[in-house]
Amino acid sequence: EPEVTQTPSHQVTQMGQEVILRCVPISNHLYFYWYRQILGQKVEFLVSFYNNEISEKSEIFDDQFSVERPDGSNFTLKIRSTKLEDSAMYFCASRRGAGVGTQYFGPGTRLLVL
Amino acid sequence: ILNVEQSPQSLHVQEGDSTNFTCSFPSSNFYALHWYRWETAKSPEALFVMTLNGDEKKKGRISATLNTKEGYSYLYIKGSQPEDSATYLCASMNNNAGNMLTFGGGTRLMVKP
Repeated sequence: EPEVTQTPSHQVTQMGQEVILRCVPISNHLYFYWYRQILGQKVEFLVSFYNNEISEKSEIFDDQFSVERPDGSNFTLKIRSTKLEDSAMYFCASRRGAGVGTQYFGPGTRLLVL
Repeated sequence: ILNVEQSPQSLHVQEGDSTNFTCSFPSSNFYALHWYRWETAKSPEALFVMTLNGDEKKKGRISATLNTKEGYSYLYIKGSQPEDSATYLCASMNNNAGNMLTFGGGTRLMVKP
């Protein structure tokens, strides 16, 4: 069964460093998302992406964050200059079509900023 | 900002017990309610997507109901097994919030053999 994959599973970085989190969505899906969960808090929406552009973003998704679909398969989240409070589990999700269809989640990347 | 709440936060049951937990969400501009099952170190697994008031969905021993007028959904597990141990997440979609999911805090279920 097709699934969303994410790499790396864990990443440790120093404050101020750039990180790129990678996702491979399900191949025939058109809508892509990033969510994150800070330890002990709710999963929260960051950004959605469709037709090679951002369709929605939350207040969290400031200028330090960017997303890209560099080729036909990968979907990346870049954090330009990480802060301690960026430490979280980052989930990628994808959905096939518009409307209420299921968003399929990857296993997450746990990011620790020291 | 939507406020989605789940209760209880955690639950311990014995194998064979049936259990249920609640997700509450804003009823205004409701669009859809999603349930996920999330085991540590794995991808959250989609269980149900529900949209209509009175919807009932079933997958094996797990079922869910939806009340959009009062803004709640129940998830039921019949005859819990140790492999049901996981965190169960609900997430609401709202007409005014595009296609983003707003998650509750989850209910962590532990089933003792």
